Amino acid sequence: KQEVTQIPAALSVPEGENLVLNCSFTDSAIYNLQWFRQDPGKGLTSLLLIQSSQREQTSGRLNASLDKSSGRSTLYIAASQPGDSATYLCAVKLTYNTDKLIFGTGTRLQVFP
Amino acid sequence: DTEVTQTPKHLVMGMTNKKSLKCEQHMGHRAMYWYKQKAKKPPELMFVYSYEKLSINESVPSRFSPECPNSSLLNLHLHALQPEDSALYLCASSQVGTDYGYTFGSGTRLTVV
Repeated sequence: KQEVTQIPAALSVPEGENLVLNCSFTDSAIYNLQWFRQDPGKGLTSLLLIQSSQREQTSGRLNASLDKSSGRSTLYIAASQPGDSATYLCAVKLTYNTDKLIFGTGTRLQVFP
Repeated sequence: DTEVTQTPKHLVMGMTNKKSLKCEQHMGHRAMYWYKQKAKKPPELMFVYSYEKLSINESVPSRFSPECPNSSLLNLHLHALQPEDSALYLCASSQVGTDYGYTFGSGTRLTVV
């Protein structure tokens, strides 16, 4: 059974810091991994989608890497801002059940001025 | 149009009421999903529709009844709910296939009293 874990569970940092959020999955049989952002009480906003054949994807200040063989992905946030405060979720799409995303446990990020 | 639109945003209903949640997308996605999210937990899959046919029911109680009238619209009919059903209900859509990510709506906050 695929299990997806995110470390740390919560993070509080001053504005301007570079951050690394971690996502680990137990089964490497994935098609892709997607990073989402969720503001309190709101829906999920897709940040980056990495296919299993890719090593990384970048969008603005965000960079996500994927090491499928070791079951790890990292989300790097450069020069963090208070507006980055949210919960960040990773999710994997399985090769043997492509209809089902398996979500990680989430990292709650607070960036203070 | 790159959005998934959910209505209503908030809903309060009694345990004897019947109500419906609505989800709409115009991106040509042929897979649509309902997720349930409790506070500080990741989303949990409820139902999957692929080409307007129900393909996955994650053993959801029959008081939740999904419907996909056409390729752009997904409904969730609610009847005789319990207070523990109070949660954020999220709709998502994607292209059918292995390479695609998901687009989520902003959710309906449901409170059962």
